[in-house]
Amino acid sequence: DTGVSQNPRHKITKRGQNVTFRCDPISEHNRLYWYRQTLGQGPEFLTYFQNEAQLEKSRLLSDRFSAERPKGSFSTLEIQRTEQGDSAMYLCASSPKFGIPYEQYFGPGTRLTVT
Amino acid sequence: AQSVAQPEDQVNVAEGNPLTVKCTYSVSGNPYLFWYVQYPNRGLQFLLKYITGDNLVKGSYGFEAEFNKSQTSFHLKKPSALVSDSALYFCAVRDGNFNKFYFGSGTKLNVKP
Repeated sequence: DTGVSQNPRHKITKRGQNVTFRCDPISEHNRLYWYRQTLGQGPEFLTYFQNEAQLEKSRLLSDRFSAERPKGSFSTLEIQRTEQGDSAMYLCASSPKFGIPYEQYFGPGTRLTVT
Repeated sequence: AQSVAQPEDQVNVAEGNPLTVKCTYSVSGNPYLFWYVQYPNRGLQFLLKYITGDNLVKGSYGFEAEFNKSQTSFHLKKPSALVSDSALYFCAVRDGNFNKFYFGSGTKLNVKP
């Protein structure tokens, strides 16, 4: 399968714990996006990478959230001191340097439940 | 502020009838508009886009969308609905000045045989 992969697919954690999610984009896609989706809502933009550089970050993203994309390949999203309001589906998408501008390929998501 | 509105939570249509899923937007700069579809237990899939050019754009699975600048709308259409089109549809817009994307809340399309 050459699509976007995300791990883990599900994560249950207790409030106050730290969690880290991984996204592996489609090979050679240089653009990578993270979104958060809650029930009944559309994806909410969190952050954007072009290669290894984090170029955009939502103002809604609190200081507890951090993302990295070392070497411009896979990316990680970490949430520190999780809160119940962090419970959501976290989506990753990648986009090629060439081809249809800004067409995003989405992964299956990581569902986070904070108890 | 950038935003996307999908005024209908759900659209019901009979198989073989035309369908329309509505989307309006607000964005600074020139709009880049997209439609995505989400099937149960699957990731979002790109359907079509408007960047520039012809206001009527064609996409995957027989879908098309019409860009209307004066009404700031980008409605999704299909001449003849299939039961297999039943899914959740999201409209999205790229901020004209930044590489950020804004999605609507989604419209559930139900196509009945």
